Amino acid sequence: DTGVSQDPRHKITKRGQNVTFRCDPISEHNRLYWYRQTLGQGPEFLTYFQNEAQLEKSRLLSDRFSAERPKGSFSTLEIQRTEQGDSAMYLCASSLSRQGATEAFFGQGTRLTVV
Amino acid sequence: GENVEQHPSTLSVQEGDSAVIKCTYSDSASNYFPWYKQELGKRPQLIIDIRSNVGEKKDQRIAVTLNKTAKHFSLHITETQPEDSAVYFCAAGGVGNNRLAFGKGNQVVVIP
Repeated sequence: DTGVSQDPRHKITKRGQNVTFRCDPISEHNRLYWYRQTLGQGPEFLTYFQNEAQLEKSRLLSDRFSAERPKGSFSTLEIQRTEQGDSAMYLCASSLSRQGATEAFFGQGTRLTVV
Repeated sequence: GENVEQHPSTLSVQEGDSAVIKCTYSDSASNYFPWYKQELGKRPQLIIDIRSNVGEKKDQRIAVTLNKTAKHFSLHITETQPEDSAVYFCAAGGVGNNRLAFGKGNQVVVIP
């Protein structure tokens, strides 16, 4: 499978614990995005990277959230001191930034449940 | 920031009929408008997109129209089939940063 892959697919954690998710984008894609999706809603933008640089963060991204893309390939999203409100599907997407091509392709997502 | 609204929230159509979903956006700077299809428990999949320099784009049974003046765009599915049943999301963004603002989604049900 040469698409965007995310790991783990599901994560159940107790409130207050830290969790980390991984995203592997399509190999030639230089842009990587994190979105969050709750039931009955569309994906909400969290942050994005161009290569290893984090270029934008949403106001939705509290101080408990941190994302990295150290070598411009895979990315991790860490949530510290999880809260029940963090329960959601966390989606990663990637795209190739070149003129006229902005299609973003999504991974299967990591479903987080905070109990 | 950009605000995207979709309507209707749920749409039921008889197999073979057409389905139309409409979206409005708020930011006149947005110039890229993709549509995603999401089946239950699966990833959103890009089905068609349109850029602001064209008014209409078609791909087999799917077409998208864009009215920049009115800031709305629509998805048209013709000859609907049961496998078209899914949630469809519209989105708006700028080519420069590619950050997308999504609507809340439309549940399309195709009745055999």
